[in-house]
Amino acid sequence: DIQMTQSPSSVSASVGDTVSITCRASQDISTWLAWYQQKPGQAPKLLIYVASTLQSGVPSRFSGSGSGTEFTLTISSLRPEDFATYYCQQAHTFPRTFGPGTKVDLK
Amino acid sequence: QVQLQESGPGLVKPSETLSVTCTVSGDSMDSSYWTWIRQPPGKALEWIGYIYNGRVTKYNPSLESRLTLSADTSKNQVSLKLTSLTAADTAIYYCARDRALIRGGTDAFDVWGQGTMVTVSS
Repeated sequence: DIQMTQSPSSVSASVGDTVSITCRASQDISTWLAWYQQKPGQAPKLLIYVASTLQSGVPSRFSGSGSGTEFTLTISSLRPEDFATYYCQQAHTFPRTFGPGTKVDLK
Repeated sequence: QVQLQESGPGLVKPSETLSVTCTVSGDSMDSSYWTWIRQPPGKALEWIGYIYNGRVTKYNPSLESRLTLSADTSKNQVSLKLTSLTAADTAIYYCARDRALIRGGTDAFDVWGQGTMVTVSS
């Protein structure tokens, strides 16, 4: 299985800050990477797919980059509704695997 | 608009079999990869497997010996059966659509149900 890691595991930030989350894959997955946002008590929501393409309806303050084994999710001008846990997921190989998550909370 | 709705038993005893159903509305059962994903309380997401075209399945090797996915296209439902349950199977079970690409394959889970919590306990 492809192992996914994320850093940091948590980050404290203020409204208006820019936050970056790193996701690493244990092998080359090209750009087959997705990012999800999950709020407490809710299902995950797709934000970005194929590393950098914004899902329809997702605000442009979310952006993704990277290829190969290292990827980044950046949230610019953090808004109150962005405080959540973020997961990366590889779509290169089965079984699909997710990162352990990064919690973004209010400083 | 595609919607998914899971239903499950809530509480299951150890060693018993879990059955969970996902009702699909707004999409064809035959052209999408209907996927099960679970999340133990406070933990990360785990891909369980998918069913495609009503009969083609792919399972997580870690669960394959205990898992059966099936579909009833007449009812627009996909179902999960997991046998020999232990406390480690306690989780929220989500149904999701793994979006199919025109050239084959899939790229992301773009539609999710709200999930159904399953607790394994005597």
